[in-house]
Amino acid sequence: QVQLVESGGGVVQPGRSLRLSCAASGFIFSSYSMHWVRQAPGKGLEWVAVIWNDGSNKLYADSVKGRFTISRDDSKNTLYLQMNSLRAEDTSIYYCARDNVVRAIPLDYWGQGTLVTVTS
Amino acid sequence: DIQMTQSPSSLSASVGDRVTITCRASQGIRNDLAWYQQKPGKAPKTLIYAISTLQSGVPSRFSGSGSGTEFTLTISSLQPEDFATYYCLQHTAYPWTFGQGTKVEIK
Repeated sequence: QVQLVESGGGVVQPGRSLRLSCAASGFIFSSYSMHWVRQAPGKGLEWVAVIWNDGSNKLYADSVKGRFTISRDDSKNTLYLQMNSLRAEDTSIYYCARDNVVRAIPLDYWGQGTLVTVTS
Repeated sequence: DIQMTQSPSSLSASVGDRVTITCRASQGIRNDLAWYQQKPGKAPKTLIYAISTLQSGVPSRFSGSGSGTEFTLTISSLQPEDFATYYCLQHTAYPWTFGQGTKVEIK
């Protein structure tokens, strides 16, 4: 069965960096585009970034552009989000999610999320 | 960016009630509209994609409709397990955008 497991969250000071990982299993990871979506405490969902299945294209929300980098290692079936220059407003649960382009189902599977808290 | 305006932000309903949630897009989004259900402390779960197609395993009391810029999620007969927050998502153009969410509470 499809599984997505995020890790790497934690408490970090403003201006510092953090790298999130999302380990995928149960499907052919290299065939799917992958996304990061976040949710601030008590707030709604915010799309963060996408990477194409072949890594050829990466797109970001304006709120993270220039600070966050999405990447993937298909040999490890793992998605990453490198977060630099973190701000208090980046405090959120970060979810990775699969994009089922073939069936036109956006974000069909989600991980359980990892919490990032940016505080001094 | 395409804005998704979801209403209401919350509602109180009883088991057995018919519930309707609306999402309005700031421009046409073809059929690139999905609905998600999120329960406290859990990841969102896909309910409906392509406006009206039920994801596998989703009960038939859920339905989606609409076109162009106006879309609706309907729960025909609310069940205890349906009390949750619901989000619409447009994926016709990046950045993808979600509605603000509708919290369905027990009356």
